[in-house]
Amino acid sequence: NAGVTQTPKFRVLKTGQSMTLLCAQDMNHEYMYWYRQDPGMGLRLIHYSVGEGTTAKGEVPDGYNVSRLKKQNFLLGLESAAPSQTSVYFCASSNNVPTGVIYGYTFGSGTRLTVV
Amino acid sequence: GQQLNQSPQSMFIQEGEDVSMNCTSSSIFNTWLWYKQDPGEGPVLLIALYKAGELTSNGRLTAQFGITRKDSFLNISASIPSDVGIYFCAGHKAAGNKLTFGGGTRVLVKP
Repeated sequence: NAGVTQTPKFRVLKTGQSMTLLCAQDMNHEYMYWYRQDPGMGLRLIHYSVGEGTTAKGEVPDGYNVSRLKKQNFLLGLESAAPSQTSVYFCASSNNVPTGVIYGYTFGSGTRLTVV
Repeated sequence: GQQLNQSPQSMFIQEGEDVSMNCTSSSIFNTWLWYKQDPGEGPVLLIALYKAGELTSNGRLTAQFGITRKDSFLNISASIPSDVGIYFCAGHKAAGNKLTFGGGTRVLVKP
């Protein structure tokens, strides 16, 4: 099983350029998330989705947009990249259990983005 | 903002040593999870805890769900070089389905 796949793995952007990060999961998970990881900051939630066609803001949403047109895909867009968006981006997905019990997130292997 | 305080932020291990780290919060969580992140990879789930006071092991790893539901501990016994990485705690509350992550404990090998 592939689990959660992120593309691309690395990217260098110039300030002002745009790009889209793709996340795909094959576990039929309802919930998907985008995090950024910066040194000393841990994982910070950018946006998330609780189902196809839905998105919601996380802790640090500014400068990013997302879309969940298909259940298995969650796209993260940067419309006008800034050096402050240099980071490692992780996508994750999780099950949706009616009782609220969570069995953990499955993470992708990350996208390392540098904005110069 | 981040609600989980994880300590220590970093630590050095020597092969064979036991290692401990903890995670504390000002609020109650119903589930505690511990993840490990290897360099260049995403975090991978190690242990999940669902009941206050629960003590769960996974090989050389042992984690406990604090009685107050505001903390959790992870112990690694007889550490080996491949234990290096970043360990994250995460808490889940009953409402919603988002995890709150700690800042991570970076485990390094003593030079």
